[in-house]
Amino acid sequence: DTGVSQDPRHKITKRGQNVTFRCDPISEHNRLYWYRQTLGQGPEFLTYFQNEAQLEKSRLLSDRFSAERPKGSFSTLEIQRTEQGDSAMYLCASSPAEGGEKYNEQFFGPGTRLTVL
Amino acid sequence: AQKITQTQPGMFVQEKEAVTLDCTYDTSDQSYGLFWYKQPSSGEMIFLIYQGSYDEQNATEGRYSLNFQKARKSANLVISASQLGDSAMYFCAMRAPTMDSSYKLIFGSGTRLLVRP
Repeated sequence: DTGVSQDPRHKITKRGQNVTFRCDPISEHNRLYWYRQTLGQGPEFLTYFQNEAQLEKSRLLSDRFSAERPKGSFSTLEIQRTEQGDSAMYLCASSPAEGGEKYNEQFFGPGTRLTVL
Repeated sequence: AQKITQTQPGMFVQEKEAVTLDCTYDTSDQSYGLFWYKQPSSGEMIFLIYQGSYDEQNATEGRYSLNFQKARKSANLVISASQLGDSAMYFCAMRAPTMDSSYKLIFGSGTRLLVRP
């Protein structure tokens, strides 16, 4: 399978613990995005990488959140001192820099569902 | 700022019939793009169809078509000949520019479609 993969698919943690999620984009895609989706809502943009450079961060990305893409391939999203409000689905997407289609479709992974107790 | 509004939290449709899912948008940009994504219970976001603001024709992809009414700022998704596998959440989204030439997606709150046999 050559799609976007995310690990783990599910994570249950206690409030105050740190968690880290991983996203592996489609191999030739140099753009990578993180979104958060709370129950009953649409996804909300968190951050965006072009290769290893983090070019944009949403104000939703508080100081407790950090994302990296060290070699321009996979990315990690870490949440420190988790709170119950962090419970959500965390979605990763990737796209090519110059796609054949004019809209450069974003391809999504299956998501990591985080539950903070 | 861009905004997407989906006013139908849930919809029912009989198998083999057509259904229209509503989407209205707000933007001050002259050039913009609109997407529809499907999210089954498994969680991944599946791209369905794209409409650019300057596209003269309404977009079509198989059983999916987009009823684009620019003056009304609406981009409704029409699914023809509904199938049981169409039961899912459907999200309308708009592209918003990032710092470089890429874009992030602004999503609506979604419509849950249930296809009855």
